[in-house]
Amino acid sequence: DIQMTQSPSSLSASVGDRVTITCRVSQSISRYLSWYQQIPGKAPKLLIYAASNLQAGVPSRFSGSGSGSHFTLTISSLQPEDFATYYCQQSFTNMWTFGRGTTVEIK
Amino acid sequence: QVQLVQSGAEVQKPGASVKVSCKASGYNLRTYFIHWVRQAPGQGLEWMGIVNPSDGGTTYAHNFQGRVTLISDTSTNTVFMDLNTLRSEDTAVYYCARAHYADEGGAFDVWGQGTTVTVSS
Repeated sequence: DIQMTQSPSSLSASVGDRVTITCRVSQSISRYLSWYQQIPGKAPKLLIYAASNLQAGVPSRFSGSGSGSHFTLTISSLQPEDFATYYCQQSFTNMWTFGRGTTVEIK
Repeated sequence: QVQLVQSGAEVQKPGASVKVSCKASGYNLRTYFIHWVRQAPGQGLEWMGIVNPSDGGTTYAHNFQGRVTLISDTSTNTVFMDLNTLRSEDTAVYYCARAHYADEGGAFDVWGQGTTVTVSS
């Protein structure tokens, strides 16, 4: 199975900060990568699909980049509602897998 | 309004089975694959498997092969996840999610609200 490694596993940041989360994949997956946000007690929410495509309704401060085996999610200016856990997910094979998550906490 | 509505919380004993339903509304179930994902308390997301509601075809994660069955009933727009031989480690929130496919892969664009399954003697 394809392995997904997210870093960092957690970070502390302030409102207005620029935040970058990395997802490294055990093999090349082209751009078959998505990002999700999860607030405790809620279902995950799709932010980015196909590495860099913003899902409808998601604020433009979220952006994704990368291809092959190295991907990033960037939040350009962190807002109070962005404190959550973020997951990457690959759909390159017929067995989809997730990264272990990155928790963004308030500094 | 497109949504997936799951059945309610379950408490089961070790060794028993659980069946969770996921009813689609606002779209034709046949037109999108449905996946199941679970999340143990305080843990990350774990992909379990996929069902094609159009033909019933399935693929299961290695960790669940032999214990999980996904079934679709297009007459009621409902997908079912059946997990047997439950153990305490299966205590988790179980989600169904619709897969949207673009040119470069798929993503979960609609999620159910989650069903809490507790396995306890």
